[in-house]
Amino acid sequence: AQKITQTQPGMFVQEKEAVTLDCTYDTSDPSYGLFWYKQPSSGEMIFLIYQGSYDQQNATEGRYSLNFQKARKSANLVISASQLGDSAMYFCAGNNLFFGTGTRLTVIP
Amino acid sequence: DTAVSQTPKYLVTQMGNDKSIKCEQNLGHDTMYWYKQDSKKFLKIMFSYNNKELIINETVPNRFSPKSPDKAHLNLHINSLELGDSAVYFCASSLTLAGTGNEKLFFGSGTQLSVL
Repeated sequence: AQKITQTQPGMFVQEKEAVTLDCTYDTSDPSYGLFWYKQPSSGEMIFLIYQGSYDQQNATEGRYSLNFQKARKSANLVISASQLGDSAMYFCAGNNLFFGTGTRLTVIP
Repeated sequence: DTAVSQTPKYLVTQMGNDKSIKCEQNLGHDTMYWYKQDSKKFLKIMFSYNNKELIINETVPNRFSPKSPDKAHLNLHINSLELGDSAVYFCASSLTLAGTGNEKLFFGSGTQLSVL
């Protein structure tokens, strides 16, 4: 089994600035995948980015990138050039089976 | 076309009743899931079906019974509803079974269940 920890219940960021949302994981599996999902206030869950344990490079998807540090067992989400529409809950998930408690991001104009 | 659709969106019912939530995906995925999100936004997997076969059955009361008539449908039936069952229930699907690769989840819009 995996355990996913998100230690930031809430984060604030100024519009157009970058923000890092933390995620650490604990697993004994040699192969695993880490996912980030966004949940706006409307409630739907939206896939953002994926990082595989064997991937050599950090994943990037548009303004989203993953700062993957295997030795530290962390997979932090970096959002660059924050927009007002980025205000939402963000969840880190291990193998899509174990979710963290989420971080509520608020983008300030 | 909605990829993963679940109905109803809202469900308000009395304690002790039996209710069902339906889910359908038109993505041709092999795997479907039910997740429960509580009032603190914690998301927990309940069940997973792969090609109509139950793969994951987390510690969930027997009152919850999933049914998959075909791989495009996964319904959730709940017997004898309790106050603690109030939550948002999400259906999701992925091309292959979670944990086997980089298959992202496609979520339904959620069903807000309120037990009075």
